[in-house]
Formats: sequence, C-alpha cells, structure tokens
Amino acid sequence: GEDVEQSLFLSVREGDSSVINCTYTDSSSTYLYWYKQEPGAGLQLLTYIFSNMDMKQDQRLTVLLNKKDKHLSLRIADTQTGDSAIYFCAEGPYNTDKLIFGTGTRLQVFP
Amino acid sequence: DAGVTQSPTHLIKTRGQHVTLRCSPISGHKSVSWYQQVLGQGPQFIFQYYEKEERGRGNFPDRFSARQFPNYSSELNVNALLLGDSALYLCASSLEEVSDSPLHFGNGTRLTVT
Repeated sequence: GEDVEQSLFLSVREGDSSVINCTYTDSSSTYLYWYKQEPGAGLQLLTYIFSNMDMKQDQRLTVLLNKKDKHLSLRIADTQTGDSAIYFCAEGPYNTDKLIFGTGTRLQVFP
Repeated sequence: DAGVTQSPTHLIKTRGQHVTLRCSPISGHKSVSWYQQVLGQGPQFIFQYYEKEERGRGNFPDRFSARQFPNYSSELNVNALLLGDSALYLCASSLEEVSDSPLHFGNGTRLTVT
C-alpha cells in the first residue's frame, strides 16, 4: 500500500544546513510536498515539487527528488532557531487533495 | 487574504456525543478536504469535497460525515464520539481544477473526548 517514511528526529546547530529525508512508495504520485508544523498550529506549506522535476530551490529551501529510488529531501540552508518544528513529507496524485503524509521529522535547532 | 479558517479552535466533548466542526476555505478555492491528526502522527485523509460533491473518502467509519455549502464552506460531523476520536482536525482547501494548486491548511480544531 501507500506509505511515506521519515526519520523521527534531527538536531542541528544554528547556521548549519539541515537535510530532512523522506521515502515514498506510490509510483503514481505526481506531487510531493513539504509542510511545517509548529507547536499547536496547523500545517504550513513550505514547498512542493512535481514528479517530473529533479530539484526545486526557493530561497533557503532546496528540494531534491530521486524518482528512481522514491527519495525526497528538503535542505534548509543557514538553519535558524525559528526553523525548529515538525516537518512533514506528503505525496499525492494530480488533481486530488488526498495526500499521504509521513509521521514527521522533528527538527531541533540549538545555538 | 485570509487563509483557511476553522472553528472552534478547541472543543471538549463526552463519549457518545456529537460534534460539528466548521471550515471556510481560502477565497476562490472550491475544494475542501478534512484530515485527522492524532498526537505524534501525520495527518490522515478523511474527506474531500469539490463543488458540493464528495470526491474522496478515507478509511473512517460512517460516524464521520461532511458536507459542503454553496459558498464552499464545509462542516465535518462526528457522531457517537469515542475516546479515540480525540485529535487535531485539519481543514484544507485548494483550487483543485488547476494543475498547479497545492493544498493549504488551516490551524485546526483540537477535539478532546473524555
């Protein structure tokens, strides 16, 4: 069945780069997403990538997609304390809002 | 522009009761979806509505129902509440008919069933 897996925890020093990884199983997925969730809040859309792309860059965020290995990563450059949150990877086919989410990676940034 | 708005923000109910959660999508968005997020897990898809019609349903019991109104707002109803229904309920909206239309989420309603 469909499944999305992420590592549970990542700790980085302020100013370093963070790399959060995700693997998925559904080969028909068209879009892959990264969402950020701060304590007590909803999900904030960070970025997304279409499955025919290899890379997408948006300011401090870089998304890499290896479709052959079904591996997605999110790199955050110059990580700040405000980046501390849970990051969710999600996959979904075109033209539907039914996304499959991973369990989330908790990013902790220390000074 | 206002984002996806949900009400109430918090709710406490007793087992066996019924609850109604409300959602207003981003202006111009015609698709609304509902997700359940249990503590420590990722969100799970419950329903999608587009132009007032159900477009998809997740693996949830019939105690869960939803509807979408002509102004594209939506309600999620849960009957005969169980302790396991305690969760953050997230509403999301999208243009859906446009190919490059990601899903935008509200801040959720935190439901506690005692």
